[in-house]
Amino acid sequence: EVQLVESGGGLVQPGRSLKLSCAASGFTFSDYNMAWVRQAPKKGLEWVATISYDGSSTYYRDSVKGRFTISRDNAKSTLYLQMDSLRSEDTATYYCARQDGYTFDYWGQGVMVTVSS
Amino acid sequence: DIQMTQSPASLSASLGETVTIECRASEDIYNGLAWYQQKPGKSPQLLIYNANSLHTGVPSRFSGSGSGTQYSLKINSLQSEDVASYFCQQYYDYPWTFGGGTKLELK
Repeated sequence: EVQLVESGGGLVQPGRSLKLSCAASGFTFSDYNMAWVRQAPKKGLEWVATISYDGSSTYYRDSVKGRFTISRDNAKSTLYLQMDSLRSEDTATYYCARQDGYTFDYWGQGVMVTVSS
Repeated sequence: DIQMTQSPASLSASLGETVTIECRASEDIYNGLAWYQQKPGKSPQLLIYNANSLHTGVPSRFSGSGSGTQYSLKINSLQSEDVASYFCQQYYDYPWTFGGGTKLELK
C-alpha cells in the first residue's frame, strides 16, 4: 500500500524558515517524480514544486521560486521542501504527492504551515 | 498561466441522480486534464486522467469527457459517499493549475 507521511509543519514568523519532510513507503520511491501541492484554508489547490525521480530536475511555481527548495533522498525514500523567507500567503496545508506522468496519483494526509507573527 | 474555471461552485443533488461538473480552460489543453475528489477533512484522490481515463479503483459511475478548452466530470447514480469537493487540474503546461472546486452536497 502506497503511504506518504508528511511532517515538519507548524507556526512560524514571517521571514523565517521551515523544512517539511515526506516519508514514502509501499512503492519504489526512486522510480517516481514527486511533488508538493498546497491548499490555503478553505481555498483550492495550488501546485508548488516537482522533482524528477533522480533529483536531477526541479520545477517551481513563480511565487516560491528562489525561496523554496524541493529535494529528495532516494536511499531514505524521503521528499523534502525547504521553505525560506516565508510569507503570510504561504499559510496552507502542504501535501506531498506522487506523480504518475503529470497527475498526482497518491497524496499524503497533509501538514499545516501557518506563517504569522 | 492557464486559468481553469469550474462550474458550478456548489451543487446540491439527490441520491441516484446524475451530476455534471464543468471545467473550462483559458486555452486549449489538449486533453491534459485530471479530476480529483476531496472528501471533508481528507486529502484529494485522483479520479480521472487524460480527460477521460478512469484511475485504478475508481467506480465506473464516474466518467470524464471533453476536448480543447471544455471538459466535464459526470457522476451517474449519485451515492452518499460521493459528497465531496471536486477539482479539475490541467497539466498541459507549467505551472500546473487547478480549478476553484465544486462542492457537492446531498439534497
